[in-house]
Amino acid sequence: DIQMTQSPSSLSASVGDRVTITCRTSQSISTFLNWYQQKPGKAPKVLIYATSNLPSGVPSRFSGSGSGTHFTLTISSLQPEDFASYYCQQSYNTPLTFGQGTKVEIK
Amino acid sequence: QLLLQESGPGLVKPSETLSLTCTVSGDSISTGSYFWGWIRQPPGKGLEWIGNISYSGTTYYNPSLKSRVTISVDTSKNQFSLDLISVTAADTAFYYCARQSRTSLITGHHYYFDYWGQGTLVTVSS
Repeated sequence: DIQMTQSPSSLSASVGDRVTITCRTSQSISTFLNWYQQKPGKAPKVLIYATSNLPSGVPSRFSGSGSGTHFTLTISSLQPEDFASYYCQQSYNTPLTFGQGTKVEIK
Repeated sequence: QLLLQESGPGLVKPSETLSLTCTVSGDSISTGSYFWGWIRQPPGKGLEWIGNISYSGTTYYNPSLKSRVTISVDTSKNQFSLDLISVTAADTAFYYCARQSRTSLITGHHYYFDYWGQGTLVTVSS
């Protein structure tokens, strides 16, 4: 199985801050990496697929980059609705695996 | 608008079988090159992929659960289902059904879960 390691596990930030979350994989996955946002009591929502592609409706303040084993999710200017948990997920092979999550909290 | 809705018992006894159904509305489950999946999340913890199925019945399972899991599809009802046998307290979790879409890019076929059900909490307890 491909192991996914996110950092940090949690962070505190203020509205307007630039936030970066990192995801590392135990083996190279090219760009087969997705990011999800999950708010309390809700299902995850896809934010980015294939490392850097935003689905329709996702704000442009979200961006993703990376390849191989190192990936980042960046929120350029944190908004109140962005306080949530974020998960990376590899789609390179099965079993599909997720990172342990990063909780973004209000400072 | 595609909607997915999980249904099934919220409480299952240890050693029994957890059975859930996902009803898809807004489009046919047989349309397009999608997979239909189950993902679970123990309260306060991370996400675990259980398995996927295509409309034609091709399945992929997480090896950690493969000996206990069966995912099936009923295209006539626009539903797919999850059976997990011999459950223990460790199977207590929110269970989500989701659609896995495919996008073809120069780097290959990329899959991601684009529609999710709201999730249902299943507690394993006597």
